[in-house]
Amino acid sequence: QSALTQPASVSGSPGQSITISCTGTSSDVGVYNYVSWYQQHPGKAPKLMIYDVSNRPSGVSNRFSGSKSGNTASLTISGLQAEDEADYYCSSYTSSNTLVLFGGGTKLTVL
Amino acid sequence: QLQLQESGPGLVKPSETLSLTCTVSGGSISSSSYYWGWIRQPPGKGLEWIGSIYYSGSTSYSGSTYYNPSLKSRVTISVDTSKRQFSLKVGSVTAADTAVYYCATVLDYHYYMDVWGKGTTVTVSS
Repeated sequence: QSALTQPASVSGSPGQSITISCTGTSSDVGVYNYVSWYQQHPGKAPKLMIYDVSNRPSGVSNRFSGSKSGNTASLTISGLQAEDEADYYCSSYTSSNTLVLFGGGTKLTVL
Repeated sequence: QLQLQESGPGLVKPSETLSLTCTVSGGSISSSSYYWGWIRQPPGKGLEWIGSIYYSGSTSYSGSTYYNPSLKSRVTISVDTSKRQFSLKVGSVTAADTAVYYCATVLDYHYYMDVWGKGTTVTVSS
């Protein structure tokens, strides 16, 4: 069982918007704005998509956005495209001596 | 631009020690900006945080390590500045340690992983 909870799968049609949730606790997501999101295509290394809850690295499409409310962070992808089909992982800083936690991952299917 | 490359044996026997290195290029391994981390991904499963090390000559907590509690008793992460490498050792391996192993930078004060190696596959089998 992962430390952060994500839905196993989500799906959407091209052009639609989807949201992936990431639920943690008051020791991680709920108290720190250090939530990041990663996209992983099959056979590839993960790619940073969002950091510090809602910031996009240079080169990442503005169709990707992040937010947080309480112990739950969210990744929203608008205007879904076929190339967005991938696995998505959230991560958070934790006040324990572990430093970082991952979510279990969410498989996005573009119908 | 910072780049990372994992290397090490692709096959390890059960009960032995898995050893991997990550070579840093395009930047300093003594940078105060980064933790140096290891993440793994078993076949068909999600990412698992293994741990990280912070190495900088300019801070009191240089050399501090942070491990996943589920692996802590078997894992050691260290830095070799002369070789511009950081390494991972996992002892007493079993088939459950079979995975793609990634090294990555973890940005200090923000704790996100912005640079990843391509990953290396390690299989535990006799």
